[in-house]
Amino acid sequence: GAVVSQHPSRVICKSGTSVKIECRSLDFQATTMFWYRQFPKQSLMLMATSNEGSKATYEQGVEKDKFLINHASLTLSTLTVTSAHPEDSSFYICSARRLAGGPTSTDTQYFGPGTRLTVL
Amino acid sequence: AQKITQTQPGMFVQEKEAVTLDCTYDTSDPSYGLFWYKQPSSGEMIFLIYQGSYDQQNATEGRYSLNFQKARKSANLVISASQLGDSAMYFCAMREVGGGSQGNLIFGKGTKLSVKP
Repeated sequence: GAVVSQHPSRVICKSGTSVKIECRSLDFQATTMFWYRQFPKQSLMLMATSNEGSKATYEQGVEKDKFLINHASLTLSTLTVTSAHPEDSSFYICSARRLAGGPTSTDTQYFGPGTRLTVL
Repeated sequence: AQKITQTQPGMFVQEKEAVTLDCTYDTSDPSYGLFWYKQPSSGEMIFLIYQGSYDQQNATEGRYSLNFQKARKSANLVISASQLGDSAMYFCAMREVGGGSQGNLIFGKGTKLSVKP
């Protein structure tokens, strides 16, 4: 199956610093990537949709100035958590949408392995 | 209102037996896709199976099958011959094609499956 990588897998940082997380689709081009956040024992919450070459679309309640998303190429999207605080500690997962070439409902989303962010 | 409902927070199954994980959905979009993902303790999301709203037959992928009942708006996952490695969280998800959606997946709250030896 398709592979999506995410880097780093784990990061610990001090409060007030910024952290960048990279998401790459390794064997297909992804015009659309998604960023999710997952709290312990909870479901995935969509934060934003990232389209190559355009501004990301953020879900209601997600601060776009805090969670900067850049989809610079068809294989790379980055999420930067700016001025991180302990409440930003979470599991961040990206996914890349692989187009099926037919009805869009059949497009499969492949997920990265996730990044566990801990802000001290 | 929740678009994806998984009513079983946790399930136990004996190794080698079959288990059904429930999922109901709510949409007014006639074109949609239903997905199941497995999330082991490592955190990665593993795609298991897909069912399209216009598909006439239930989807199957190895030991996984999707019991699609469109009129009831249910898309239950059936795992046959459970293995210890099947212990994980299982998420049902839906993609709506219309309604201005960019095709993102909407997830249920998940079901934690534990396979007993």
